[in-house]
Amino acid sequence: DVKVTQSSRYLVKRTGEKVFLECVQDMDHENMFWYRQDPGLGLRLIYFSYDVKMKEKGDIPEGYSVSREKKERFSLILESASTNQTSMYLCASMSSGNSNQPQHFGDGTRLSIL
Amino acid sequence: AQSVTQLGSHVSVSEGALVLLRCNYSSSVPPYLFWYVQYPNQGLQLLLKYTTGATLVKGINGFEAEFKKSETSFHLTKPSAHMSDAAEYFCAVSEGYGNKLVFGAGTILRVKS
Repeated sequence: DVKVTQSSRYLVKRTGEKVFLECVQDMDHENMFWYRQDPGLGLRLIYFSYDVKMKEKGDIPEGYSVSREKKERFSLILESASTNQTSMYLCASMSSGNSNQPQHFGDGTRLSIL
Repeated sequence: AQSVTQLGSHVSVSEGALVLLRCNYSSSVPPYLFWYVQYPNQGLQLLLKYTTGATLVKGINGFEAEFKKSETSFHLTKPSAHMSDAAEYFCAVSEGYGNKLVFGAGTILRVKS
């Protein structure tokens, strides 16, 4: 089974802090994704990556950046956290090729910015 | 751009009753369609997917969905609801070869005893 592990289930940070959310997958997947989930809005794509050191903006990249130095690890960075970034963050991975393959999700990080 | 509409943010059914969760999509090309389930405090888990071939797709936990191209729909059904089905359900469409998914807003299913 694919295992996607997010480093923290719950995180509380202060406004203006630099925040790192970590995600690791164990299936050698090329593609990795970061979403945020808000009630009534579903999942919205922040950034994704097709390969090491590759990244692409999703639908809501403002205020975020990402890093992919190793294939198994994809980090989401909040450069200067703000209260409107309080949300659930979900990481996913997927094998490359045909887009009929499913994405595999971690359990999420519930981030609160005070 | 593709989009997904899930009709009803909350659906409530009695245990043993039919579950019907609605999903409509917009796409200019044949889509790949997915249903995911999210239990409280967990990530998303794949229920089923449609790619090509048979339009009635069976998934885990007794769920199935039917792809209807003429109606641009991919509704999720289960003949008899169980208390353990209470969760949030997301319909998603694949946005071409880019491997990106576009999600609906989700439907929270409540099962009454």
